[in-house]
Amino acid sequence: GENVEQHPSTLSVQEGDSAVIKCTYSDSASNYFPWYKQELGKRPQLIIDIRSNVGEKKDQRIAVTLNKTAKHFSLHITETQPEDSAVYFCATYSGGGADGLTFGKGTHLIIQP
Amino acid sequence: NAGVTQTPKFQVLKTGQSMTLQCAQDMNHEYMSWYRQDPGMGLRLIHYSVGAGITDQGEVPNGYNVSRSTTEDFPLRLLSAAPSQTSVYFCASSRIGTGGTGELFFGEGSRLTVL
Repeated sequence: GENVEQHPSTLSVQEGDSAVIKCTYSDSASNYFPWYKQELGKRPQLIIDIRSNVGEKKDQRIAVTLNKTAKHFSLHITETQPEDSAVYFCATYSGGGADGLTFGKGTHLIIQP
Repeated sequence: NAGVTQTPKFQVLKTGQSMTLQCAQDMNHEYMSWYRQDPGMGLRLIHYSVGAGITDQGEVPNGYNVSRSTTEDFPLRLLSAAPSQTSVYFCASSRIGTGGTGELFFGEGSRLTVL
């Protein structure tokens, strides 16, 4: 089955700096790559996603890039703000096997004032 | 719309007891699923359903049962609770029939402790 590796597990950045979280996956059939944000004690919520026919997607301060050849994708957050502090999960969908997302183990992003 | 509603929010069980986690959605979503979240493990798929009357196993199905008699409800049953099932459980639904290509809407989670 699919294996998703996410790095780093913890990331601390100064407010206003950029943050980058990277994920690699094993199944070359994966074609959908969402990112979810989970604030402490809350439910995960989708913040951005990308499909395999697109290399990059932006939404205000967040962007996702995809390299299908290397089988990795990254989340980029610019001009970080205190409300960006949360755990971020990458995920993939391949359509083979179980019909659901395979999640990475998460990155705890800490924004230092 | 209430979205995805899970009950109970907290539950403590003894080893060997059984219980049902309830999940209901009012968005007329075809796809519903259950994930468990453990520290440092991300979210792992337990069971899912692509429509009423259809269920299938995910990555970690052992010890759990599901049914989907209506579009709205997707209960998760623990048959004989074990300490390894201590976790936070999330129900999630999606508008389209396959769970991986549309936004998943999560419930607030149910924290289960098995002693």
